[in-house]
Amino acid sequence: AQSVTQLGSHVSVSEGALVLLRCNYSSSVPPYLFWYVQYPNQGLQLLLKYTSAATLVKGINGFEAEFKKSETSFHLTKPSAHMSDAAEYFCAVSVGQGAQKLVFGQGTRLTINP
Amino acid sequence: DAMVIQNPRYQVTQFGKPVTLSCSQTLNHNVMYWYQQKSSQAPKLLFHYYDKDFNNEADTPDNFQSRRPNTSFCFLDIRSPGLGDAAMYLCATSGPGTSLYNEQFFGPGTRLTVL
Repeated sequence: AQSVTQLGSHVSVSEGALVLLRCNYSSSVPPYLFWYVQYPNQGLQLLLKYTSAATLVKGINGFEAEFKKSETSFHLTKPSAHMSDAAEYFCAVSVGQGAQKLVFGQGTRLTINP
Repeated sequence: DAMVIQNPRYQVTQFGKPVTLSCSQTLNHNVMYWYQQKSSQAPKLLFHYYDKDFNNEADTPDNFQSRRPNTSFCFLDIRSPGLGDAAMYLCATSGPGTSLYNEQFFGPGTRLTVL
């Protein structure tokens, strides 16, 4: 079964520092991978997705992620953290026959220190 | 703007008293989903509709039911809420079709409190 694992339930960085949120996947077939962000008391919003067109994927708000098959990873990065990036981030893999379903990682809470 | 709307945003109910949460979409998407999200956890899929076809997850309690009267609307019914059902309930849509690379669009959620 396809799954994703997020390393680190809580990450804290200083404003202006590099953000790195880790996600590893388990899949016997080429996966479709997503990163979503959730701000407090809101729904999830898509940051970016990997669909095999390019290994480096650029998303919204300055985030990007690189698909590395050899490492089964899809880590999310941002060169310079902003206070507004404080949120919960979920990595997910798309599965299903029939309708698409998402299998989420456990989430990583990102805190930005001034 | 095309969007996913959930009403109400906050719902308080009493233990055992039936409650209905609603979701509407202007995206004309084929698929609508209901997720339950408890504090500090990932969303957990309860069920989804592909057009009129209802698909229940194996571990979704019988206490949870859903209706989709038309493309735009979908309802979540909790027949006898228990304290453990207090959570954020998220509605999402995807389409067109059922491609694995479709993005899911989420509503803002309804936070359910059970007293």
